[in-house]
Amino acid sequence: NAGVTQTPKFQVLKTGQSMTLQCAQDMNHEYMSWYRQDPGMGLRLIHYSVGAGITDQGEVPNGYNVSRSTTEDFPLRLLSAAPSQTSVYFCASSGTSGANSYNEQFFGPGTRLTVL
Amino acid sequence: AQRVTQPEKLLSVFKGAPVELKCNYSYSGSPELFWYVQYSRQRLQLLLRHISRESIKGFTADLNKGETSFHLKKPFAQEEDSAMYYCALRGGWGTDKLIFGTGTRLQVFP
Repeated sequence: NAGVTQTPKFQVLKTGQSMTLQCAQDMNHEYMSWYRQDPGMGLRLIHYSVGAGITDQGEVPNGYNVSRSTTEDFPLRLLSAAPSQTSVYFCASSGTSGANSYNEQFFGPGTRLTVL
Repeated sequence: AQRVTQPEKLLSVFKGAPVELKCNYSYSGSPELFWYVQYSRQRLQLLLRHISRESIKGFTADLNKGETSFHLKKPFAQEEDSAMYYCALRGGWGTDKLIFGTGTRLQVFP
């Protein structure tokens, strides 16, 4: 099992450029999410998905789009990059959460994005 | 509003000293709380959850509903404990959404 994989590891963009951060998991997890990590801000939820075809916004969704066409993949798209989106991005996945249970979230290695 | 507060950005101790990383939360229902850890150049990983009442790598955390706290403790710190620690709150019933605190960097000096 590769677990949660993310590509690329590093990326530099110019303001206004677009790109897609890739995230894939091979654990058949239904729940996937994207966080951004900024100094002094911790991890903030951008978007999440509870299954293929279902996505929803998190705490800081502006400037980002997601889709979930398969269980395995959950790409994050930046349509027009801005310097404020300079951050480290983490993808995470977990199994179905029951009413009284919690499934451990597994995190990817992160993508360090710089927007000039 | 749901919120997790970690008041310390940095905590520095010497090896063998006790460690307490503070976490306070705000949640209207029955909370589920977790500690995640990120070692240098490694992925974020679950350290422990309050439901399990377990001790992992010598760390324990007790949920105190009266004080709305979930502090992480270890009686004798080790150099390998140096890492970034995040307290997290499950964001709702039947969901895996997590609300993270801002994190505390623990430095353990030899």
